[in-house]
Amino acid sequence: SAVISQKPSRDICQRGTSLTIQCQVDSQVTMMFWYRQQPGQSLTLIATANQGSEATYESGFVIDKFPISRPNLTFSTLTVSNMSPEDSSIYLCSVWDTATYEQYFGPGTRLTVT
Amino acid sequence: RKEVEQDPGPFNVPEGATVAFNCTYSNSASQSFFWYRQDCRKEPKLLMSVYSSGNEDGRFTAQLNRASQYISLLIRDSKLSDSATYLCVVNSANGQNFVFGPGTRLSVLP
Repeated sequence: SAVISQKPSRDICQRGTSLTIQCQVDSQVTMMFWYRQQPGQSLTLIATANQGSEATYESGFVIDKFPISRPNLTFSTLTVSNMSPEDSSIYLCSVWDTATYEQYFGPGTRLTVT
Repeated sequence: RKEVEQDPGPFNVPEGATVAFNCTYSNSASQSFFWYRQDCRKEPKLLMSVYSSGNEDGRFTAQLNRASQYISLLIRDSKLSDSATYLCVVNSANGQNFVFGPGTRLSVLP
């Protein structure tokens, strides 16, 4: 199974600032995703990170607010821009392993915006 | 109608009990179905995939009913360690990603 690490694991940020979250996978994967899980809620897909092209965003999420990079098949970043308290959430990186036909998640980044 | 729906619970059951969760999905073209388990303050982890013929893994049994568009998870002989949120996951209408249900919270009590 794919092993995924995320940095930072948690952060407390002031409103109006930006935070970039890194996701590293121990093997090459085609499909990488970024999810958000707000307190007490289930996971919501933000976007699919495409290697070599722009990310594909879900309804309600835009590139200006959540720019994503995917420079290669093992790494991706998600930036939460111009943060507000409503952005306080856990952000999870995920990959789809086409070998095992399973989806794996990173440990998440717990973001608190004050 | 939401794409994936679950009873949020909580289900509070005694140790040793049998408990069943249901999940309904709206996209009849969905092909892939899963149950994930999420412990408090942890990431979701795959519990089991759900196959058309139904499948069993120890105390856990998953069933798929395509006609009625629902998936079920049965847990027999509940353990304290089964306490978690169980997430139903279905692949999306475009088949490229997966939609998570809101989760059903289970508490197994001593």
